Amino acid sequence: DQQVKQNSPSLSVQEGRISILNCDYTNSMFDYFLWYKKYPAEGPTFLISISSIKDKNEDGRFTVFLNKSAKHLSLHIVPSQPGDSAVYFCAADTGTASKLTFGTGTRLQVTL
Amino acid sequence: DTGVSQNPRHKITKRGQNVTFRCDPISEHNRLYWYRQTLGQGPEFLTYFQNEAQLEKSRLLSDRFSAERPKGSFSTLEIQRTEQGDSAMYLCASSGATGLRGSYNEQFFGPGTRLTVL
Repeated sequence: DQQVKQNSPSLSVQEGRISILNCDYTNSMFDYFLWYKKYPAEGPTFLISISSIKDKNEDGRFTVFLNKSAKHLSLHIVPSQPGDSAVYFCAADTGTASKLTFGTGTRLQVTL
Repeated sequence: DTGVSQNPRHKITKRGQNVTFRCDPISEHNRLYWYRQTLGQGPEFLTYFQNEAQLEKSRLLSDRFSAERPKGSFSTLEIQRTEQGDSAMYLCASSGATGLRGSYNEQFFGPGTRLTVL
């Protein structure tokens, strides 16, 4: 039972354009959401998070949007840079900070 | 300092052997987590500690797996009688409400230990 879903396994975007990565969840108990970036042979790196009491959180080039009624969140990266090429994981927590449930990831490639 | 460190980075073993991995969390963090990641999947939760207490274990953590955090600092994850299905990346993460590194909700990961069982 995949409680966190990233339905796009890959995404290609030109440098300077916007990258939009999507994530859907099914568990209504999730109330904290995070995005991680992962390079090959490294552990996931925390990018940005959002609590369910907000619908938007912004940090530099990264913005996360949360639509609770649709159980959907998205990560916007603008402008995209070649160094953003990596696998991006969406993760969710029930608020107990006991464990994260991850999606299967989206591989982003930013082309010149 | 530093971030979360894990040793070894790679381990190749034969089926049936025991292996042990070590994780050193960010020093001010009192929560420590273990995850497993296989190809094409996101990390899957195995277990977590608050200080030295193991508070939750996933059903993925069979009786061949044991984790300890004896002094509330570093942690070890042991797999006994390894099977080929245990081949994966084993990730450790930590979190805490003190210091500069975020809240309990934000977990910071180490580089992982890649286990290959032949």
